[in-house]
Amino acid sequence: GAVVSQHPSRVICKSGTSVKIECRSLDFQATTMFWYRQFPKKSLMLMATSNEGSKATYEQGVEKDKFLINHASLTLSTLTVTSAHPEDSSFYICSARQGGTFFGQGTRLTVV
Amino acid sequence: GENVEQHPSTLSVQEGDSAVIKCTYSDSASNYFPWYKQELGKRPQLIIDIRSNVGEKKDQRIAVTLNKTAKHFSLHITETQPEDSAVYFCAAKGGSTLGRLYFGRGTQLTVWP
Repeated sequence: GAVVSQHPSRVICKSGTSVKIECRSLDFQATTMFWYRQFPKKSLMLMATSNEGSKATYEQGVEKDKFLINHASLTLSTLTVTSAHPEDSSFYICSARQGGTFFGQGTRLTVV
Repeated sequence: GENVEQHPSTLSVQEGDSAVIKCTYSDSASNYFPWYKQELGKRPQLIIDIRSNVGEKKDQRIAVTLNKTAKHFSLHITETQPEDSAVYFCAAKGGSTLGRLYFGRGTQLTVWP
């Protein structure tokens, strides 16, 4: 299947700092990518839909100023968690479509 | 929007037995139904999918059935093995564009040797 690469796989940051997560489609172009958050033993919760060249579409209850999404090219979308707090600690995962939907490796964010 | 329900939340079977996970969806316009397997700390992996113009699809030990009238679809795993142990998610792609998937809550499958 198609390859979606996410980086970093793990990150630990201090409260108040910002963290950027990258999602790349390696062998195809993706005009749309999706960002999810997953809590332990829970399903994937869609945070936002990232659209190349335009603003992201955020799900209800997701703070757009806190979770900044940039989709500047057809192969790269970034999620920046701004002013991170311990409650932002979670598993963040992106996906893109090429026929089926394929996921990045996920990023385990820990805010201390 | 679409609402996907998944049952059971946990499933334990003996190695060699079959496992069945069931999902229902609400949007009759949904037309694509993938199943994902997620191991602890890993990404969800697409294991099989079915489109609305097909009633059944099989890939070795894995099969998926779709009943459009009843709006439900199921995953069948035969001859289960311990390495099948994982969380399985069903999903439905809504009738709108962009390819957004709506996920079920997941089923923790444990296969005992």
